Amino acid sequence: KNQVEQSPQSLIILEGKNCTLQCNYTVSPFSNLRWYKQDTGRGPVSLTIMTFSENTKSNGRYTATLDADTKQSSLHITASQLSDSASYICVVSLSGGYNKLIFGAGTRLAVHP
Amino acid sequence: DTEVTQTPKHLVMGMTNKKSLKCEQHMGHRAMYWYKQKAKKPPELMFVYSYEKLSINESVPSRFSPECPNSSLLNLHLHALQPEDSALYLCASSQGDRSGNTIYFGEGSWLTVV
Repeated sequence: KNQVEQSPQSLIILEGKNCTLQCNYTVSPFSNLRWYKQDTGRGPVSLTIMTFSENTKSNGRYTATLDADTKQSSLHITASQLSDSASYICVVSLSGGYNKLIFGAGTRLAVHP
Repeated sequence: DTEVTQTPKHLVMGMTNKKSLKCEQHMGHRAMYWYKQKAKKPPELMFVYSYEKLSINESVPSRFSPECPNSSLLNLHLHALQPEDSALYLCASSQGDRSGNTIYFGEGSWLTVV
């Protein structure tokens, strides 16, 4: 069964601190993995997208890693800001056929002053 | 800011009402999607349109009726909804409907059925 699992479910950190969110997947055939940020009540916004051959991708203070052998990905946020408070969703796309996305349940991050 | 625009942002409707959600994109994308998202849950795919034709219907009840008038517009017509249909409805688009195309989401339309 195609699944994407994220941990932790929720996380509270202080402003300025770093954090790492985890994503494990059992999706086959694999096409790519994306991290989305979703503010409460708003649509998801794409942060990074990685294919099978990519290990790391950065977008400002966000750095995503992918280990295709162990089927794990992480999203590292450096120097957190209050505006980073949101849900972070790991999404894996199946290869072949239409653009079918397998969503993780998300990690709810709260950044406190 | 997202380039997928959804209206209205909020909608409250009775179970006997007929209403529509609208979505527009001007990125030249040829695939458009409707997703439904309940609170604290990931989005669930409802419909996929590819080149203005319905290509995927994920067994959605007929009280939800999609329409794609042209390559930039996607509507979702609502009729005789139930309170459990209350959710955030997300429109999305991508260059094509094949895997590997990044999907861009709109801000969503909050629907409350009373």
